Amino acid sequence: DAKTTQPPSMDCAEGRAANLPCNHSTISGNEYVYWYRQIHSQGPQYIIHGLKNNETNEMASLIITEDRKSSTLILPHATLRDTAVYYCIVRTLNSAGSKLTFGKGITLSVRP
Amino acid sequence: DTGVSQNPRHKITKRGQNVTFRCDPISEHNRLYWYRQTLGQGPEFLTYFQNEAQLEKSRLLSDRFSAERPKGSFSTLEIQRTEQGDSAMYLCASSLEDRGGNTIYFGEGSWLTVV
Repeated sequence: DAKTTQPPSMDCAEGRAANLPCNHSTISGNEYVYWYRQIHSQGPQYIIHGLKNNETNEMASLIITEDRKSSTLILPHATLRDTAVYYCIVRTLNSAGSKLTFGKGITLSVRP
Repeated sequence: DTGVSQNPRHKITKRGQNVTFRCDPISEHNRLYWYRQTLGQGPEFLTYFQNEAQLEKSRLLSDRFSAERPKGSFSTLEIQRTEQGDSAMYLCASSLEDRGGNTIYFGEGSWLTVV
């Protein structure tokens, strides 16, 4: 079962920051937070991941709370092409738990 | 393009026929995963390989499904005696497994329609 909780949907205006929340209150110390997105009819696309510290790359920023029970994915300047389903996933890296377990994700709609 | 290649991208087959999908992972990636996704749902894990060894299979992988990775490189997923409920997108993914929070990369998927 997925270990994360996300709202089903949200929208934002083009050019504005999109802040996508995720709750993972039962996360363990050895579990990473991963974000993927899926644009209609395509395979999931990796965005970013983190363990404890905030992370930033060319696509997004990941803010993880100090207690690690929640996180926020930030798309700093959303475009229409960012409209997609975004999945927040917690993942361990031992042999038994290395797979990704997807939930329903959050559908982000970017409006013009 | 992530470098994970899947073929064919689309397949329409009659109920009862067998189908096979192929996945070519990113070279040097030692782990390969298969997922299935139906409309409106997130991807569901089917199975994964570490090199040529199949290490885990989901209960979703009925006995009509078989996956192989004979030389630890490409993989095939075969569905025998297809049923309409098998209609879905089949996703392949690969990763280089280490301790450092590695990334799993997905292909574009193979769509199966059983008529």
